[in-house]
Amino acid sequence: GENVEQHPSTLSVQEGDSAVIKCTYSDSASNYFPWYKQELGKRPQLIIDIRSNVGEKKDQRIAVTLNKTAKHFSLHITETQPEDSAVYFCAASSWGAQKLVFGQGTRLTINP
Amino acid sequence: GAGVSQSPSNKVTEKGKDVELRCDPISGHTALYWYRQRLGQGLEFLIYFQGNSAPDKSGLPSDRFSAERTGESVSTLTIQRTQQEDSAVYLCASRPDRVGNQPQHFGDGTRLSIL
Repeated sequence: GENVEQHPSTLSVQEGDSAVIKCTYSDSASNYFPWYKQELGKRPQLIIDIRSNVGEKKDQRIAVTLNKTAKHFSLHITETQPEDSAVYFCAASSWGAQKLVFGQGTRLTINP
Repeated sequence: GAGVSQSPSNKVTEKGKDVELRCDPISGHTALYWYRQRLGQGLEFLIYFQGNSAPDKSGLPSDRFSAERTGESVSTLTIQRTQQEDSAVYLCASRPDRVGNQPQHFGDGTRLSIL
């Protein structure tokens, strides 16, 4: 079955700098890769997703890149702000799959 | 429209008691998932429902855990003879259909504390 590895487990950056979180997956059939943000005590919320027919997707300060050959995808946050502090989860699934497989999460802290 | 609704939001109970957690998915969402999230940890898959198909129970940690769902409506997760290690946030998520590449939408969870 699919296995998703996420790194780093914790990340601390200065406000205004960029943050990058990386995930690798094992199943070459996976073709859908969402990212969720979970603030303390809150529900995980989808922030961006990418499908395997594109290599990059941007939404304001957030971007996701996908390398299908290497089977890894990354979340990029530019011009970080204190409200970006949260735990971020990556996930993967394939067209026929019924479950998302989640990474273990990255705790991102933005230092003012 | 309304999101995934879970109740209760918090539950404190004594070890050995049974608890029942409820999830009301987004209307029209045929797929429903339960996850467990221990403090500071990731999302642990428990069970998956898709329409009237047999549920995928592969993530249930023991026979003390069970879940039901009638059709595409409300689901209940029951934990019998609760243990302290059952303390966690139990999250429910729903998705429009069985097709894999669509996002899941989460509820706010039930924070379960076993004394």
